[in-house]
Amino acid sequence: QSVLTQPPSVSAAPGQKVTISCSGSSSNIANNYVSWYQQLPGTAPKLLIYDNNKRPSGIPDRFSGSKSGTSATLGITGLQTGDEADYYCGTWDSSLSAVFGGGTKLTVL
Amino acid sequence: EVQLVESGGGLVQPGGSLRLSCAASRFTFSSYEMNWVRQAPGKGLEWVSYISRTGSSMKYADSVKGRFTISRDNAKNSLHLQMNSLRAEDTAVYYCARVITTLGHYFDYWGQGTLVTVSS
Repeated sequence: QSVLTQPPSVSAAPGQKVTISCSGSSSNIANNYVSWYQQLPGTAPKLLIYDNNKRPSGIPDRFSGSKSGTSATLGITGLQTGDEADYYCGTWDSSLSAVFGGGTKLTVL
Repeated sequence: EVQLVESGGGLVQPGGSLRLSCAASRFTFSSYEMNWVRQAPGKGLEWVSYISRTGSSMKYADSVKGRFTISRDNAKNSLHLQMNSLRAEDTAVYYCARVITTLGHYFDYWGQGTLVTVSS
């Protein structure tokens, strides 16, 4: 059982937009910044979004992040088949331990 | 680019021990906090342990506290995880990950992972 709650799966057609939610609590998301990670099949996680809504160099602006209260959202526009992956949200809790969501599998139909 | 390469995984019997290593290169290792994160087969990410830049401060997930020990050797640019009293539920791919702190904390680079299988 993961500390943060994500939908197990989402799907959308190529070119469309999708959002992935991440729900936490006052002891984690509400008082900390959120990051998002993309894990392509058979590979290590890769940083996608940090500090709630910032993109590392090289991450296209099709990916966006936001946070409100105890929840965060990852948005992906202009979906491509190469975006098919598992997506994880992460933050830190009041004891300064990292916590993650259970992951969301994105299918591009 | 930053490189993190894990090693030391393998098959071990329940109750056994294993020592994982992570070789860091292409960045100033001693300037960064480091972590271990694991992923059981078909499951999500689980944070395991944290170590400060100097190695003076460590944190552990409750699931491994008292059994795992994180350490680092800044002279050799290496991170380690000593795993004792291993259980079937410790079976996972173990990743070492670098932590960056800006406004928040996040893992900006991950190794490719090393698989630990605990089974008789």
